[in-house]
Amino acid sequence: AQSVTQLGSHVSVSEGALVLLRCNYSSSVPPYLFWYVQYPNQGLQLLLKYTSAATLVKGINGFEAEFKKSETSFHLTKPSAHMSDAAEYFCAVKLTGGGNKLTFGTGTQLKVEL
Amino acid sequence: NAGVTQTPKFQVLKTGQSMTLQCAQDMNHEYMSWYRQDPGMGLRLIHYSVGAGITDQGEVPNGYNVSRSTTEDFPLRLLSAAPSQTSVYFCASSYSSQGARGNEQFFGPGTRLTVL
Repeated sequence: AQSVTQLGSHVSVSEGALVLLRCNYSSSVPPYLFWYVQYPNQGLQLLLKYTSAATLVKGINGFEAEFKKSETSFHLTKPSAHMSDAAEYFCAVKLTGGGNKLTFGTGTQLKVEL
Repeated sequence: NAGVTQTPKFQVLKTGQSMTLQCAQDMNHEYMSWYRQDPGMGLRLIHYSVGAGITDQGEVPNGYNVSRSTTEDFPLRLLSAAPSQTSVYFCASSYSSQGARGNEQFFGPGTRLTVL
């Protein structure tokens, strides 16, 4: 069975500081991995996705994530946080060849302070 | 394209009432799904459909029914609402084909449901 673990339900950073949101997955087969962002009272928006091409994936709004098979990780980073990055972030996994079912992590709320 | 639309945005029900949450997409996606979002639990899959006339259960299907009579619409029915069904409900859709094109799910804006 596949699962996703997001370490830290709340992360707080200063504006301009590095953002690091952690995601680890467990899967017996190569997965597809996703990061979604949810702004208050809105639906989920895709930030980026890993689909077995390049291990370093660049997404929207300056975010990127690196797939590390040896560490079963797919951490999300952004070099410099902006106030507009304050939102909840979800990591999700989908098995290759396993239909379109996504398994989500429990989410990380990012707070950006002045 | 309107993308994925959901109605209503907000709903308050009394225990035992029934209602249908509507979901529609105009992207000709084969795959549609319903999730519920609860604090600290992420999104959990309720039901999904891989095409018109085909539905299946997800992780938390109890208390919910679905049908898929057209490609565009995927309504979620609560037959007898319970306080445990108080949640935010999201509908999503995607292509079913494998590969990068089939992987991204597009989400609707959500329905916030309160059961008293």
